[in-house]
Amino acid sequence: IAGITQAPTSQILAAGRRMTLRCTQDMRHNAMYWYRQDLGLGLRLIHYSNTAGTTGKGEVPDGYSVSRANTDDFPLTLASAVPSQTSVYFCASSERLAGSADTQYFGPGTRLTVL
Amino acid sequence: GDSVTQMEGPVTLSEEAFLTINCTYTATGYPSLFWYVQYPGEGLQLLLKATKADDKGSNKGFEATYRKETTSFHLEKGSVQVSDSAVYFCAPGGNMLTFGGGTRLMVKP
Repeated sequence: IAGITQAPTSQILAAGRRMTLRCTQDMRHNAMYWYRQDLGLGLRLIHYSNTAGTTGKGEVPDGYSVSRANTDDFPLTLASAVPSQTSVYFCASSERLAGSADTQYFGPGTRLTVL
Repeated sequence: GDSVTQMEGPVTLSEEAFLTINCTYTATGYPSLFWYVQYPGEGLQLLLKATKADDKGSNKGFEATYRKETTSFHLEKGSVQVSDSAVYFCAPGGNMLTFGGGTRLMVKP
């Protein structure tokens, strides 16, 4: 069972470039999430999706967009990357949207550096 | 919105020492409470959880009790091992999971 896969593992990107981080889960979970992890700040929610076809904004959505065309995939796009978006990005999924006792399962992360 | 306060690290202990990582939270209602652990180079994974007041979550020798009166969910382990070295995150599961800043634990042989 793969769980959640993310790609790429790491990326160095020039400022102003467009970038899509990929996330795929094979658990048929309804809910998916994107977080960024910065040193000393823990994880902050960027966007989430309750089910295929619906998305919502988290704590830090500016500069990011997501789509949820099907249950398994939840890509995160940076339309025009800026250095402040340098971070480690984690995708996660859960059977239902947070607010229940459902466990969130995390991918291995994508380390993004914007120069 | 929900918030969580964790003790700042790093916490450095010798093997077999007793561990406590404090966590207090503010939340609407009585959410489920979670501890996640992040080993070096990996994503987070669930360590334990408690779904209602006075519940005790436990796993791998770690325990935490849901204390509604003090809005706390402190993590404890009686005897830590080098393999427990990781970053630990407390998270109340209200409308969304709210993660604390994490506490880095380093266990020395």
